[in-house]
Amino acid sequence: KNQVEQSPQSLIILEGKNCTLQCNYTVSPFSNLRWYKQDTGRGPVSLTIMTFSENTKSNGRYTATLDADTKQSSLHITASQLSDSASYICVVSRGSQGNLIFGKGTKLSVKP
Amino acid sequence: ETGVTQTPRHLVMGMTNKKSLKCEQHLGHNAMYWYKQSAKKPLELMFVYSLEERVENNSVPSRFSPECPNSSHLFLHLHTLQPEDSALYLCASSQDLPNSYNEQFFGPGTRLTVL
Repeated sequence: KNQVEQSPQSLIILEGKNCTLQCNYTVSPFSNLRWYKQDTGRGPVSLTIMTFSENTKSNGRYTATLDADTKQSSLHITASQLSDSASYICVVSRGSQGNLIFGKGTKLSVKP
Repeated sequence: ETGVTQTPRHLVMGMTNKKSLKCEQHLGHNAMYWYKQSAKKPLELMFVYSLEERVENNSVPSRFSPECPNSSHLFLHLHTLQPEDSALYLCASSQDLPNSYNEQFFGPGTRLTVL
């Protein structure tokens, strides 16, 4: 079954700290993996897109990694800010038609 | 702003009402999508349009009726909804149908409450 599992479900960290969010997938055939940030009451906004051959991709303080062998990805946030409080959604694109399989998201709260 | 707008942002309706959600994209994209986002569930794809033709309907009940009059506008007509249809409805667009490199841009969503 094509699934995307994210952990943890929720996370609270202090401002300035780093954190890592996990994504495991069983989607086949794999096309690419995306991380989105969704602020409360807003639509998701793309952070990174990685294809099979990419192991790491950065977008400012966000760094995503991909291990296509173990079917795992992580999103690392460095020096967190209050504005990082949001849900982070892992999405895997399947096959040549690119059907998107969404995870449930990790809700991150950054406290002062 | 992502270039995708949705109206209204909030909607409360009774089960016997008829209402419509509107989505407009200013990006010159050819593909548009409706998603449903319920609490603690992954986004669910409802409909996909490419060049104004519906290319995907993910077993959505007939009380949801999409309309795509042109490549910039997408509507979702609602009638005789159920309380379990309460959710955030998101519209998205992409240059073409999803493949390895087509990024989807999402609107802010319409928060729908069915009483």
